[in-house]
Amino acid sequence: KAGVTQTPRYLIKTRGQQVTLSCSPISGHRSVSWYQQTPGQGLQFLFEYFSETQRNKGNFPGRFSGRQFSNSRSEMNVSTLELGDSALYLCASSGTAQGVGNTEAFFGQGTRLTVV
Amino acid sequence: GEDVEQSLFLSVREGDSSVINCTYTDSSSTYLYWYKQEPGAGLQLLTYIFSNMDMKQDQRLTVLLNKKDKHLSLRIADTQTGDSAIYFCAENREGSQGNLIFGKGTKLSVKP
Repeated sequence: KAGVTQTPRYLIKTRGQQVTLSCSPISGHRSVSWYQQTPGQGLQFLFEYFSETQRNKGNFPGRFSGRQFSNSRSEMNVSTLELGDSALYLCASSGTAQGVGNTEAFFGQGTRLTVV
Repeated sequence: GEDVEQSLFLSVREGDSSVINCTYTDSSSTYLYWYKQEPGAGLQLLTYIFSNMDMKQDQRLTVLLNKKDKHLSLRIADTQTGDSAIYFCAENREGSQGNLIFGKGTKLSVKP
């Protein structure tokens, strides 16, 4: 069974640009959550999607957005990039095809975004 | 407070036991988790404990939960150099495992 796949693994963007990151959850999982990891702030929750609907949202500006497709794949978008957006972006998948909450969240390897 | 608290560093000798401590904040959290992160990698789920348990053992790992004090610990028996990594504790809030609140992580260094 394949794990959580995030693409791309590394990305370099310029300030002011926008970026789209992709996450494919474990087959059968319907919940996808996104986290930002930085040395200063640690791991911070961005948002969670379940069955194509945003279910939870963290305290990030509106420049950070996401969506989930009918196959549970999720994308997050960051517009008007700032230097401070440089981070490791991790996605986690959980939940079963039956929609019953699963106790375990499995993480992908992350996308390392560098804004210059 | 609002934060999940962990000490930042722990150094042990190979073969000793390691104990990593964590204080969480939300008494309504249903599950508490331990994740491991090696350099350049994502988070690996090590174990979790349901809030109505006070202990869980899984091979070399023992999790202890003191719900009254909101204190969680992870004990690694017979620590190996391959256990060197950053360990994060996390709690779920609002009853959703999709919204995990993480500590800052404890960097475990294992000396041969």
